[in-house]
Amino acid sequence: DIQMTQSPSSLSASVGDKVTFTCRASQSITTYLNWYQQKPGKAPKLLIYTASSLQSGVPSRFSGSGSGTDFTLTISSLEPEDFATYYCQQTYSSPLTFGQGTRVEIK
Amino acid sequence: EAQLLESGGGLVQPGGSLRLSCAASEFIFSNYAMSWVRQAPEKGLEWVSSIGGTGSDTYYADSVKGRFTISRDNSKNTLYLQVNSLRAEDTAIYYCAKDQFRENGRFDAFDIWGQGTMVTVSS
Repeated sequence: DIQMTQSPSSLSASVGDKVTFTCRASQSITTYLNWYQQKPGKAPKLLIYTASSLQSGVPSRFSGSGSGTDFTLTISSLEPEDFATYYCQQTYSSPLTFGQGTRVEIK
Repeated sequence: EAQLLESGGGLVQPGGSLRLSCAASEFIFSNYAMSWVRQAPEKGLEWVSSIGGTGSDTYYADSVKGRFTISRDNSKNTLYLQVNSLRAEDTAIYYCAKDQFRENGRFDAFDIWGQGTMVTVSS
């Protein structure tokens, strides 16, 4: 099974900050890496697919990069609505696996 | 706008069973693989199972293999998850999710999610 490891597990930031967090796969997944945002009590929302493609309707301040085993999600300038938990997911092979999440909190 | 609506969750004793349903609307259901993802209280997301558009291809997490069965009725635009031999660790919100792209032989991201249905396993 492919293990997905996200870091950090949580971070504190302020509105307007640029934040970057990472996701590492235990083996190469080429670019079969997706990012989701989840707010408390809500279903996850797709932000980025195939490592760097922005999902329709998602603000351009979100961007993704990487290939192989190392991936990043960047928020160029945090907005109040961006405080949430972010998960990566590999869809390279079954069992599909998620990272444990990175929680972005208000500083 | 594509929508998914889960139902069928509830409180069940250890060893019990439930059938979860997910009603789809506003997209051609049979063209897309579908999945179930669960989230235990205060925990992260865990993929449970996926099924191809025709229903012939199914995939399961090791943690549920042999106990859960995914299926679909394309005539009713409905996805199912039969959950048997339930354990306390199966307590979670169960989400259904739609593949982003029309079935293409690959696993895709999940672009539409339901609101979830809660399954609680407790005596």
